[in-house]
Amino acid sequence: QLQLQESGPGLVKPSETLSLTCTVSGGSISSSSYYWGWIRQPPGKGLEWIGSIYYSGSTYYNPSLKSRVTISVDTSKNQFSLKLSSVTAADTAVYYCARLVVVAAILWFDPWGQGTLVTVSS
Amino acid sequence: QSALTQPASVSGSPGQSITISCTGTSSDVGSYNLVSWYQQHPGKAPKLMIYEGSKRPSGVSNRFSGSKSGNTASLTISGLQAEDEADYYCCSYAGSSSFVVFGGGTKLTVL
Repeated sequence: QLQLQESGPGLVKPSETLSLTCTVSGGSISSSSYYWGWIRQPPGKGLEWIGSIYYSGSTYYNPSLKSRVTISVDTSKNQFSLKLSSVTAADTAVYYCARLVVVAAILWFDPWGQGTLVTVSS
Repeated sequence: QSALTQPASVSGSPGQSITISCTGTSSDVGSYNLVSWYQQHPGKAPKLMIYEGSKRPSGVSNRFSGSKSGNTASLTISGLQAEDEADYYCCSYAGSSSFVVFGGGTKLTVL
């Protein structure tokens, strides 16, 4: 059964870079038809897609975050990572990683990691 | 990239049916019959309930169904149960430039 687990610092200072890693177990990150994605949820608010990556390194980013986001993949470790630069308090959120199933223009996220809370504060 | 529009809240009594709408534009929901729906209980990760507009993953109750008309997708839950009380989100492909867009979420209360 495929499982995803987020890891990284739970506290980041304003203006610094948030870095998270998602480790995939129970399956290969190099499987075709799958992208891998990051989604966040500020406290008490809705879901926001951050970006997604294919095992080859092809990426899609949320236009509103694109200037600050970098998503990378390490197939040898079965991991993909998120970097979000110049963070502010508005970036405080639970960050989820998930497998993004893409078939032509059809897509859905399944499964999801448990999520990790990242707080931006000095 | 604008979020898909969902009602902030809906409610229903046990045994009743409710419908949650998800309104997009001709650039997302209207163009692609590809909406997925997620259920999220407090403090938990979202769970896929519907994909490709109307398909249910293995293990999801057949009380959950999805449909679409024009630019609006809908999630219907029949035979409401207390355990259905949660937040629900829709999600759509939004074209090659925006790729993915979520709805704002709907809080379902089972009275």
